[in-house]
Amino acid sequence: SQQGEEDPQALSIQEGENATMNCSYKTSINNLQWYRQNSGRGLVHLILIRSNEREKHSGRLRVTLDTSKKSSSLLITASRAADTASYFCATVDGYSSASKIIFGSGTRLSIRP
Amino acid sequence: DTGVSQDPRHKITKRGQNVTFRCDPISEHNRLYWYRQTLGQGPEFLTYFQNEAQLEKSRLLSDRFSAERPKGSFSTLEIQRTEQGDSAMYLCASSLGQGGENTEAFFGQGTRLTVV
Repeated sequence: SQQGEEDPQALSIQEGENATMNCSYKTSINNLQWYRQNSGRGLVHLILIRSNEREKHSGRLRVTLDTSKKSSSLLITASRAADTASYFCATVDGYSSASKIIFGSGTRLSIRP
Repeated sequence: DTGVSQDPRHKITKRGQNVTFRCDPISEHNRLYWYRQTLGQGPEFLTYFQNEAQLEKSRLLSDRFSAERPKGSFSTLEIQRTEQGDSAMYLCASSLGQGGENTEAFFGQGTRLTVV
């Protein structure tokens, strides 16, 4: 089962531009995480934002969370060729005493040199 | 190396055969997850453990799939009577969690299964 849904499914931008990806989810969450996956590889954790946080930064990454709209966005500023990858949001639900991590379908980002 | 390791990296098997994959999590992590991923899709949750207890198994998972985590350390995922539809990347991840809190998950490189 997948809770998150990323938008757009695919994004192609010029190197140096900013990339914005959105994620919508259905149920109450404890936290939301963003991951990156290079082709054929495992996923790498990028950033975690808790349900009581609205914005978080890490280097060139900026994540926002709007729990009233059940949505999050990931902004990558000053994109580089090495940012080409698939990006997934993942949610940890807010109800269970021991919660699993559920992934969305991902956004495939291509950076044109 | 203190990351999550999976073995084997690749497995080709004939339809109807049984296969078993192994995952060694980061040693201090109490939670271990198995996911399945097909091309162009996100990781699909299969099952997860907290220490040695299997907390949940996806309803999408048939009875041909079973997972264990004896002693709360490494885990195995077995698929019996494989079908062509089982061909996918099987990903293992581990994390540190308490109650409803869950930290970042660390993923292994995956086991790519091809059923011919």
